[in-house]
Amino acid sequence: GAVVSQHPSWVICKSGTSVKIECRSLDFQATTMFWYRQFPKQSLMLMATSNEGSKATYEQGVEKDKFLINHASLTLSTLTVTSAHPEDSSFYICSAEGLAGEYEQYFGPGTRLTVT
Amino acid sequence: DAKTTQPTSMDCAEGRAANLPCNHSTISGNEYVYWYRQIHSQGPQYIIHGLKNNETNEMASLIITEDRKSSTLILPHATLRDTAVYYCIVRVAEQAGTALIFGKGTTLSVSS
Repeated sequence: GAVVSQHPSWVICKSGTSVKIECRSLDFQATTMFWYRQFPKQSLMLMATSNEGSKATYEQGVEKDKFLINHASLTLSTLTVTSAHPEDSSFYICSAEGLAGEYEQYFGPGTRLTVT
Repeated sequence: DAKTTQPTSMDCAEGRAANLPCNHSTISGNEYVYWYRQIHSQGPQYIIHGLKNNETNEMASLIITEDRKSSTLILPHATLRDTAVYYCIVRVAEQAGTALIFGKGTTLSVSS
């Protein structure tokens, strides 16, 4: 099956710094990637939809200036958490959707962010 | 997207069949039923999906009622590694750029 990777798998950063998380589709091209956030004992919450070569679409309540998303190629999307604060500590998960004719979504393993 | 209703938790003995129900009474004609599961601290894993016919793959079977208002995911021989949160999601397939919206899911606990 299709493989999606995320890097790093976990990261600890200090409050006020920025952190970049990468999401890569390893064996297929993804026109659309999605970013989710998951707090402990809660379900996944969609943050934004990212299309290659265009601006991301953010869900209501998600600050686009804080969570910068770049989808520069068909295999890579990045999420940058700017000026991170402890409340941004969460599990961040991406998923990737294949090109036309294959609309299945494949999830990455997730990135655990801890802001101290 | 239509919403789904699932029991909060279920228990199953190892080796027995696990039957996980899902109610999607407001599903539209062009919406598929998807099942994903999430093992602790991992990304969700695709299990199976269907429109109106029953489906089976190497992981599970999906039984959809004739009126499509509910479905059941069947793990025929549950193992300890099947302990996870199972999500039932309805979504229009064959439409690019449609995100999966996760509800609370069912926490399945398989015990020996």
